[in-house]
Amino acid sequence: GAVVSQHPSRVICKSGTSVKIECRSLDFQATTMFWYRQFPKQSLMLMATSNEGSKATYEQGVEKDKFLINHASLTLSTLTVTSAHPEDSSFYICSARRGVENTGELFFGEGSRLTVL
Amino acid sequence: ILNVEQSPQSLHVQEGDSTNFTCSFPSSNFYALHWYRWETAKSPEALFVMTLNGDEKKKGRISATLNTKEGYSYLYIKGSQPEDSATYLCALFNDYKLSFGAGTTVTVRA
Repeated sequence: GAVVSQHPSRVICKSGTSVKIECRSLDFQATTMFWYRQFPKQSLMLMATSNEGSKATYEQGVEKDKFLINHASLTLSTLTVTSAHPEDSSFYICSARRGVENTGELFFGEGSRLTVL
Repeated sequence: ILNVEQSPQSLHVQEGDSTNFTCSFPSSNFYALHWYRWETAKSPEALFVMTLNGDEKKKGRISATLNTKEGYSYLYIKGSQPEDSATYLCALFNDYKLSFGAGTTVTVRA
């Protein structure tokens, strides 16, 4: 199956610093990638849809200036948590859709656990 | 974001036994339902994408059914094995996005 790689898998940072998480599709081109966040015992919540070459589409309640998304190429999307605070500590995971069929399955990265001290 | 519910939240099953669990979703404007299997420390992996009412899909010992009119899907595991231990997620596709349930965590005891 298709492979999506996410890095780093774990990151600990100080409050006020910024953290970048990378999501790469290794063996296919992904025009659309998705970023999710998961709090303990809750479902994956869509944060934003990342579109190659254009601005990301953010879900209601997600601050676009706080969570910067860049999708500069067909194989790489990045999520930058700016001026991180302890409440941003969470599990972040990306996914990518292969092909043009909108109902098609997603391929996920391994996820990144962010801890803000 | 659509309300997708999964039950039970967790279950334990003896090796060799069969089990099933439920995903419930709003039945209006249905497009597709996805099932994913998520093992600890790994990426979620797609099991099924279901689009038609009455659809039944199978992959090895795992199968799923879909009822779009009443808004539910069942996932079945036949003859559970320890390697089936994972969290199983369902997700409803609508408006070009997936809305996930919180998952059912299955633990198979040897």
